[in-house]
Amino acid sequence: GAVVSQHPSWVICKSGTSVKIECRSLDFQATTMFWYRQFPKQSLMLMATSNEGSKATYEQGVEKDKFLINHASLTLSTLTVTSAHPEDSSFYICSAKDRMNTEAFFGQGTRLTVV
Amino acid sequence: GEDVEQSLFLSVREGDSSVINCTYTDSSSTYLYWYKQEPGAGLQLLTYIFSNMDMKQDQRLTVLLNKKDKHLSLRIADTQTGDSAIYFCAERGTNSGYALNFGKGTSLLVTP
Repeated sequence: GAVVSQHPSWVICKSGTSVKIECRSLDFQATTMFWYRQFPKQSLMLMATSNEGSKATYEQGVEKDKFLINHASLTLSTLTVTSAHPEDSSFYICSAKDRMNTEAFFGQGTRLTVV
Repeated sequence: GEDVEQSLFLSVREGDSSVINCTYTDSSSTYLYWYKQEPGAGLQLLTYIFSNMDMKQDQRLTVLLNKKDKHLSLRIADTQTGDSAIYFCAERGTNSGYALNFGKGTSLLVTP
């Protein structure tokens, strides 16, 4: 159990376009989802925390107008990178937890390349 | 913010034991984790330890926690080439909700 699926696994987009990344909990209701970003040879950095039905809480230094997070249902959260630029190229990974579980489970990540 | 530090690289021979070390600064850490990341893949939770434990063993994996020194280690016995990956140490403090604070990862290379 506790499977989290991200889609797409990788995406290449042109500079200036927007990209949407989906994070789905397949077999549990994800009341909380977390979005992380990982630059090459760096650690994962928490970008934002989203609770179902509420606005996301962004970490310091993360532009909420650039990284739009929607968590409208208990099984789906989306991260939209708006007006993407090459410096947004990174590995984006989500994790999700339900009310009962103390652990959050990670998706397989999405590699975004902006050209 | 709180820091989690790891050595960046470790190379061992197949069959030897690997020990990956991690230090952290958050004294309120409740859980400490080890994740494995293979190239191009997501994170796989290997094991975790609650902060009131000193040791946890799970098959080939042994986690040691020295809470006083804020030092965590992961020992992999009989290391195999399939263990080659990046290993992340992460901690969860009482004030972080369920978000994790990660180290930069230790790249483990297992040679035949």
